[in-house]
Amino acid sequence: DQQVKQNSPSLSVQEGRISILNCDYTNSMFDYFLWYKKYPAEGPTFLISISSIKDKNEDGRFTVFLNKSAKHLSLHIVPSQPGDSAVYFCAASDHGSSNTGKLIFGQGTTLQVKP
Amino acid sequence: GAGVSQSPSNKVTEKGKDVELRCDPISGHTALYWYRQSLGQGLEFLIYFQGNSAPDKSGLPSDRFSAERTGGSVSTLTIQRTQQEDSAVYLCASSLAESRAFGSGTRLTVV
Repeated sequence: DQQVKQNSPSLSVQEGRISILNCDYTNSMFDYFLWYKKYPAEGPTFLISISSIKDKNEDGRFTVFLNKSAKHLSLHIVPSQPGDSAVYFCAASDHGSSNTGKLIFGQGTTLQVKP
Repeated sequence: GAGVSQSPSNKVTEKGKDVELRCDPISGHTALYWYRQSLGQGLEFLIYFQGNSAPDKSGLPSDRFSAERTGGSVSTLTIQRTQQEDSAVYLCASSLAESRAFGSGTRLTVV
């Protein structure tokens, strides 16, 4: 039972354009969502998060949108840069932002930003 | 060290052998997690340690998998009688409050 789904395994965009990565979840108890970025041979690194009490969180070029009714979130990167090329994982928690509970991860989306 | 350290970084083992994977969390982090990423798959939760509480083992795929955390610090993940489907990258993470960090993982290949 995949509680967090990233249905697009890969995405390719041109440098300077917007990258939109999508994530769907099924568990209505999830109250905190995170995006992680992973380069080859490295561990995932935290990128941005959003609490279920919000519908948008912005940090520089990265914005996460949450649509609770649709159980959908998305990560927007604008403008996209070649250094953004990586695997992006969506994750969800039902323990709020305390980081003391396990995270459920999606399958990941490989983003390629072409110069 | 400054980050989560995992060893070995790569491990090739023969089917049926036992393996031990090690994780050194960030000093002071009370929570420790093991995940694995199989080829083409997302990060699959395995086990979670929080302080002195009983670990959450709900993600361990079979009784061949076990983990311990000694002294609230270093953790070892043991896989007995390895099978080819155990081949994956095993990732460890530790956290304290709102900070969660991952190690670079151990790539396990069972031949």
